[in-house]
Amino acid sequence: EPEVTQTPSHQVTQMGQEVILRCVPISNHLYFYWYRQILGQKVEFLVSFYNNEISEKSEIFDDQFSVERPDGSNFTLKIRSTKLEDSAMYFCVSSESQLDGYTFGSGTRLTVV
Amino acid sequence: QKEVEQNSGPLSVPEGAIASLNCTYSDRGSQSFFWYRQYSGKSPELIMFIYSNGDKEDGRFTAQLNKASQYVSLLIRDSQPSDSATYLCAVVSYNQGGKLIFGQGTELSVKP
Repeated sequence: EPEVTQTPSHQVTQMGQEVILRCVPISNHLYFYWYRQILGQKVEFLVSFYNNEISEKSEIFDDQFSVERPDGSNFTLKIRSTKLEDSAMYFCVSSESQLDGYTFGSGTRLTVV
Repeated sequence: QKEVEQNSGPLSVPEGAIASLNCTYSDRGSQSFFWYRQYSGKSPELIMFIYSNGDKEDGRFTAQLNKASQYVSLLIRDSQPSDSATYLCAVVSYNQGGKLIFGQGTELSVKP
């Protein structure tokens, strides 16, 4: 069964450093998303991406965050200057349509110290 | 932001019993409804989705949707200890850009 691949699985970074979280979505999927889940809390939407541009972003997705799909396969989330409160699991999701097939990657656990 | 509500639990059922998980949503424009299972420290795993009013069955799982009441449920028959996890309800509405909107999840514990 096709998978969404995320790397790294765990990243520890110092506050103020930049991090890049990487995702390889399922190849025929068209819609891409980043979600995060702070420990013990609900899964929260960050940003959606379609046709090589952001289609929607949440209030969480401020100027510190950016996404891109530089080579048509990888989908990256960059956090420019990490804060302690950015510590969370970050999930990449891809889907073929907006009806079904939302597939989660295995996640990146980001720890900001 | 439209909301999705679930009881956080924990819901405890004995092995072999039926577990019933409930979810309500506030956006009447919601069109697709999903149940995910999440084990601690892992990513959500899709169990099933439903679009139409009524029941949809897949093995031991049945999803039930009532759009008039804005209510979706998941029944797990013959519950097993391996079903112990957090169950996430999510909805998609084209009014909200087609993204998944999650409830806070219900923790299920199946006791042997």
